[in-house]
Amino acid sequence: GIQVEQSPPDLILQEGANSTLRCNFSDSVNNLQWFHQNPWGQLINLFYIPSGTKQNGRLSATTVATERYSLLYISSSQTTDSGVYFCAVGDSNTGNQFYFGTGTSLTVIP
Amino acid sequence: KAGVTQTPRYLIKTRGQQVTLSCSPISGHRSVSWYQQTPGQGLQFLFEYFSETQRNKGNFPGRFSGRQFSNSRSEMNVSTLELGDSALYLCASSLAYGGRIAGELFFGEGSRLTVL
Repeated sequence: GIQVEQSPPDLILQEGANSTLRCNFSDSVNNLQWFHQNPWGQLINLFYIPSGTKQNGRLSATTVATERYSLLYISSSQTTDSGVYFCAVGDSNTGNQFYFGTGTSLTVIP
Repeated sequence: KAGVTQTPRYLIKTRGQQVTLSCSPISGHRSVSWYQQTPGQGLQFLFEYFSETQRNKGNFPGRFSGRQFSNSRSEMNVSTLELGDSALYLCASSLAYGGRIAGELFFGEGSRLTVL
């Protein structure tokens, strides 16, 4: 299967700081998503971004599929940004199975 | 538009019992996937269904099974429960074209299973 590595594993920020989360993957993919897992366990969709760049408010993401990585940028972080961020990629061969990274645990302190 | 609905949200079972979890996808979504999340193994793919057919299965023993109904609702079953089956079970729905998932996965709130 596809190996997905996320870095850093843990991140502690002061409120208002910016951060970059990285996702590297080992094979070609046809689908890539970023999720934020809330304290109750639900995965909240942030970006569907198999390639290119997207922005949504203080969050933006970039995927360079040819180089097999994606970045999630969080600007002016808020305490509500705390939680675990996951990258998930879809297998180009089957298109039906997704592989998740181990996540980045973000803590934003006031 | 209603999201993905999973029931039950929490359950406690004892070793050897079996459990059935249910998932209702977003209206119009015909692909339903199941994932297991544990602290040690992270998020792992269990299986994916489309048009009542299982198209992929992850590396799980035969005790883990599932099915999909004609209205796209899905159930998964775990028989002969073991302590290691304690986990958050997440269901996702998505559109699918040409036999492949198209676009985003949307997840439910999960079913948290504790095996004693």
